[in-house]
Amino acid sequence: GDSVTQTEGLVTLTEGLPVMLNCTYQSTYSPFLFWYVQHLNEAPKLLLKSFTDNKRPEHQGFHATLHKSSSSFHLQKSSAQLSDSALYYCALTVMSNYNVLYFGSGTKLTVEP
Amino acid sequence: EAAVTQSPRSKVAVTGGKVTLSCHQTNNHDYMYWYRQDTGHGLRLIHYSYVADSTEKGDIPDGYKASRPSQENFSLILELASLSQTAVYFCASSENWGAYEQYFGPGTRLTVL
Repeated sequence: GDSVTQTEGLVTLTEGLPVMLNCTYQSTYSPFLFWYVQHLNEAPKLLLKSFTDNKRPEHQGFHATLHKSSSSFHLQKSSAQLSDSALYYCALTVMSNYNVLYFGSGTKLTVEP
Repeated sequence: EAAVTQSPRSKVAVTGGKVTLSCHQTNNHDYMYWYRQDTGHGLRLIHYSYVADSTEKGDIPDGYKASRPSQENFSLILELASLSQTAVYFCASSENWGAYEQYFGPGTRLTVL
């Protein structure tokens, strides 16, 4: 079946250091991958998606690269900001499945001064 | 921007009671979804619908029913609420083509006592 694994439940960083959140997946078909971000007491919202006309997806300084050989879609940012503190979900969907998303368990990122 | 609203925003229910959570979207989206969020489990799909008057089971449908009386409205029904159903519930909607992005409502915090 389709599944997403996020190995880090909690990540704590100092402001200005680089961010890397891990995401690996399993899928029978060629999936589309997403990163959603959820700030405290807010709804999840889309941060990045893997299919952007072959351009590396980027948003708010975050980027991710889909590596089919290693089934990974890690989220990266060169310099963490205090406002990046949030819960981050990796998710996948496959075509012709009503856009059903399979979410990982999430990584809580805390950026400290 | 896509708009998904949920009501109530929070609710306290008694064990064995009936609970109905409502979701309304003004995006003209065909697809709608119900998720529950628990710490450590991320977002798990309960039910979804790709057309009015039809619902499909997600990954954790036991103890939940869903109703889609119109394109705009999607309800989640707990006929006999249990302690284990204490969680935050999110509704989402998505277009039936293209970007695959899901737009989430603000969530309903349900506490079953």
